[in-house]
Amino acid sequence: DTAVSQTPKYLVTQMGNDKSIKCEQNLGHDTMYWYKQDSKKFLKIMFSYNNKELIINETVPNRFSPKSPDKAHLNLHINSLELGDSAVYFCASSRTSGSAGANVLTFGAGSRLTVL
Amino acid sequence: KNQVEQSPQSLIILEGKNCTLQCNYTVSPFSNLRWYKQDTGRGPVSLTIMTFSENTKSNGRYTATLDADTKQSSLHITASQLSDSASYICVGERSNDYKLSFGAGTTVTVRA
Repeated sequence: DTAVSQTPKYLVTQMGNDKSIKCEQNLGHDTMYWYKQDSKKFLKIMFSYNNKELIINETVPNRFSPKSPDKAHLNLHINSLELGDSAVYFCASSRTSGSAGANVLTFGAGSRLTVL
Repeated sequence: KNQVEQSPQSLIILEGKNCTLQCNYTVSPFSNLRWYKQDTGRGPVSLTIMTFSENTKSNGRYTATLDADTKQSSLHITASQLSDSASYICVGERSNDYKLSFGAGTTVTVRA
């Protein structure tokens, strides 16, 4: 199946721990994103990579570090987890960035992170 | 203040009925407006995308309208089905930096 897949789907951990979420897309897209969806359901961009290069880095604590080993993968590592990090994190990809209407996003199913 | 505001926050309709969701945006300079459907526990899925020159676009039983003058969009669901139960998210894109602004979504519940 062509898709954006992310793992794990659920993640429960203690404050202070370090965790990673992995994302892979087989759509041949060259841009990938991480979004955070909080309890109010707003989707907020965190990072965007185009061909392994960071192009969007919103105001996100530096405890969050994305890594893109190739254009089909974009992983998110979170250090020293805090209660406020609890949310659903969505990976997405698009055909390209940098032209209006081109970045129609295909989202993964989400990874629900719960910090206790 | 968010650049995309949606109403109502939630609504309940009976199967087979129609409903209309509203979206007001202040995204500027404006490029296009999208509607996404997000099923519970899933990622959003694109329904429509309209540029400022388009007034309406359909995707099956979903019809989106856009009034670029009043900066309003609507999503009309015709003959609702149980599978239409989801959150519907309005998204505006800026033309200068292609940044997307997401609304909080309208949660639609279709009951038999």
